[in-house]
Amino acid sequence: DARVTQTPRHKVTEMGQEVTMRCQPILGHNTVFWYRQTMMQGLELLAYFRNRAPLDDSGMPKDRFSAEMPDATLATLKIQPSEPRDSAVYFCASVGGQGYNEQFFGPGTRLTVL
Amino acid sequence: GDSVTQMEGPVTLSEEAFLTINCTYTATGYPSLFWYVQYPGEGLQLLLKATKADDKGSNKGFEATYRKETTSFHLEKGSVQVSDSAVYFCALSENTGGFKTIFGAGTRLFVKA
Repeated sequence: DARVTQTPRHKVTEMGQEVTMRCQPILGHNTVFWYRQTMMQGLELLAYFRNRAPLDDSGMPKDRFSAEMPDATLATLKIQPSEPRDSAVYFCASVGGQGYNEQFFGPGTRLTVL
Repeated sequence: GDSVTQMEGPVTLSEEAFLTINCTYTATGYPSLFWYVQYPGEGLQLLLKATKADDKGSNKGFEATYRKETTSFHLEKGSVQVSDSAVYFCALSENTGGFKTIFGAGTRLFVKA
């Protein structure tokens, strides 16, 4: 049963601390998206990668957020330093390129910054 | 740019009622259209899709028809169940190989027993 996995599922941290979220896309999927979901803003696209190369990170605050794909099985989203306004659920999704662009979402990381 | 507009929620229905969630889109090309569903505490998952005009997507009793003339993709179900309570997202993706998907704001559905 192929699925996208994300770790950690929950993270509580204090303002100013570094936060790293990890995503393992479905094996063979070459496109990975990072989204943030809040009650106020809904679902926002932060960045996405194709074949490990960043295609678009215009939705990401550049001064504190960074996203990478060190290899085909791992995508990371880092926040340094974290702020209370970063509290949200962060989702990773992958696409396999087999047609119709269906996105497969992970379960999300719920981040709380105190 | 491309956009998706869906009806605001929440929508509250009694069990076995008929459901319609309206969705309209703006696109420069000929996108694929989707409905995703998000259950509490989970990520979004694909509910149904349609890839060209007049296609009907269907799954789990839900249906939506790709209407190019009205740029709409309304979600319908004839008889909702309590287990259908979730947030529903309409979405589009241009078929240009980029895979980027534009999501609507989501519509929360509550179904009462």
